[in-house]
Amino acid sequence: DAGVTQSPTHLIKTRGQQVTLRCSPISGHKSVSWYQQVLGQGPQFIFQYYEKEERGRGNFPDRFSARQFPNYSSELNVNALLLGDSALYLCASSRGQKNTGELFFGEGSRLTVL
Amino acid sequence: EDKVVQSPLSLVVHEGDTVTLNCSYEVTNFRSLLWYKQEKKAPTFLFMLTSSGIEKKSGRLSSILDKKELFSILNITATQTGDSAVYLCAVEAQGAQKLVFGQGTRLTINP
Repeated sequence: DAGVTQSPTHLIKTRGQQVTLRCSPISGHKSVSWYQQVLGQGPQFIFQYYEKEERGRGNFPDRFSARQFPNYSSELNVNALLLGDSALYLCASSRGQKNTGELFFGEGSRLTVL
Repeated sequence: EDKVVQSPLSLVVHEGDTVTLNCSYEVTNFRSLLWYKQEKKAPTFLFMLTSSGIEKKSGRLSSILDKKELFSILNITATQTGDSAVYLCAVEAQGAQKLVFGQGTRLTINP
């Protein structure tokens, strides 16, 4: 079975632009979470989606938004990019809403903002 | 606010050595503590601990949780160069639907 897949793997944007990152969960997993990992730090929670509804939101500005589609894939959107948004964005999936401890992570999308 | 602190932040040892990585936490309504290994990008799951004093083992790796003192340790015996990675500790609160990660410990094993 395929693991969590993310695209693109790398991308470079300039300040003020917008970016969309995509994630396909493991087959059978209905929950998708997004994390931001700045260089040298641990991942920081952004969103969790379960059954197409937002179930949790971290301490991120409204420039960050996400959605989940009927096939359980997900997109993370970031508007008005800032230099500080440069990070590895990790998507993780799990079967249910509450078994967060069994998260499976994708390889991530590395975003560089110039 | 929930918080996880790992130590040391960086550790360099020789192949064959034994290492102990530390994780202390503050969380309201604790549910579980997890250890992940991050070699390049995707963190991979190592252990989930929910009960105090019960050691989890997988080969040369083992971990234990102390819920009274609010910490966990990850031990790696007979280290190999393939153990070089960042080791992440995370906690989950009841009903929180998220993990709170520590900063990670960067472990380097020299041949």
